Amino acid sequence: QSVLTQPPSVSAAPRQRVTISCSGSSSNIGNNAVNWYQQLPGKAPKLLIYYDDLLPSGVSERFSGSKSGTSASLAISGLQSEDEADYYCAAWDDSLNGEVFGGGTKLTVL
Amino acid sequence: QVQLQESGPGQLKASQTLSLTCSVSGDSISSGHYYWSWIRQHPGKGLEWIAYIYHRGSTYYNPSLKSRITISVDTSKNHFSLKLSSVTAADTAVYYCARQSPAAMQFDYWGQGTLVTVSS
Repeated sequence: QSVLTQPPSVSAAPRQRVTISCSGSSSNIGNNAVNWYQQLPGKAPKLLIYYDDLLPSGVSERFSGSKSGTSASLAISGLQSEDEADYYCAAWDDSLNGEVFGGGTKLTVL
Repeated sequence: QVQLQESGPGQLKASQTLSLTCSVSGDSISSGHYYWSWIRQHPGKGLEWIAYIYHRGSTYYNPSLKSRITISVDTSKNHFSLKLSSVTAADTAVYYCARQSPAAMQFDYWGQGTLVTVSS
């Protein structure tokens, strides 16, 4: 059972927009930055969004992040087949005094 | 370009101690700008943070693993290490090392990961 809650899977057609939610609590998302990672099959995770809504250099602007209260979301617009991957949210948890991850969401591009 | 590379035995027997090293290039651990972390992923499962260390040796451990973990840094070799004692089959996972930025605690560079299998 992950501390942060994500839907196990989402799907959408190419060129559509999809959002992935991440729900937490006041000790993690509500008080700390949320980061998102993309993990392509067989690969190491890659930083996608940091500090709730910032894009690292080299990451496509089709990806965006937002946060409100104790929830965060990742949006992907103009879906492409190469976006098929697992997506994880993460945040520091003040109560656990450690980094916590969501369970991951598998994105399928139909 | 920052690169991290995990190394260590890929197979262990239950009750042994897992020892992994992460070699860092393109950045200096002793610069003190980042934390250096270990994360693992059980087969087909999500990510689990294990611990991080700062260049002067300050550490933070996952409470659920704290009693079995030792993380250390060798700035002269620009690498950091993980030891996990009394392993069981439940410790079978891909182990990643990563650089963690204090700004938002984001893991901005990752190693490729190394699969560790524990057998009985």
